Amino acid sequence: AQRVTQPEKLLSVFKGAPVELKCNYSYSGSPELFWYVQYSRQRLQLLLRHISRESIKGFTADLNKGETSFHLKKPFAQEEDSAMYYCAATGGFKTIFGAGTRLFVKA
Amino acid sequence: ETGVTQSPTHLIKTRGQQVTLRCSSQSGHNTVSWYQQALGQGPQFIFQYYREEENGRGNFPPRFSGLQFPNYSSELNVNALELDDSALYLCASSLSGGRNSPLHFGNGTRLTVT
Repeated sequence: AQRVTQPEKLLSVFKGAPVELKCNYSYSGSPELFWYVQYSRQRLQLLLRHISRESIKGFTADLNKGETSFHLKKPFAQEEDSAMYYCAATGGFKTIFGAGTRLFVKA
Repeated sequence: ETGVTQSPTHLIKTRGQQVTLRCSSQSGHNTVSWYQQALGQGPQFIFQYYREEENGRGNFPPRFSGLQFPNYSSELNVNALELDDSALYLCASSLSGGRNSPLHFGNGTRLTVT
């Protein structure tokens, strides 16, 4: 079955600490992987996608096909990073989302 | 650039009734996808429309149906509402239905079924 798993519902870190949000996927074929973010009172929006190989707001994500993981990382968390983060996988018309991880960055 | 807009923002219906939710896609986008997001869960794929045709469907019963219009706006219709249909319904548009097209979301419609 196609599935995206985010094992942590809540992740709390101090400002300046490294952060890693975990994502594992089970998807037939070679899906494209995305991270979406929802800040307070804002709509769900794209943070980054694997195909772009880019760093957005200091976040990066590495695809490990062997472990079928796409973890999101940032070396130094900022208070404005506090948000809900969703990992997503798509093989075509259907995008599957994980349940999300709420990141809370403490001052 | 006009973003994705959804209406209404909130809706309360009674079990057994029917509801229509509306979505205007972002300018330049020809594909619309609908998602259901229950509390504490990620968005669940309902279906996608590309150039007025249903392009794919998730595990939702036939009482969930949709339309896409020539201007690429879309409707989600739900018949015979059940209590479990209470959720946030998200519309997302994209440049195409392909795997590399990121989704652009609206703010959602919060549906409560009593």
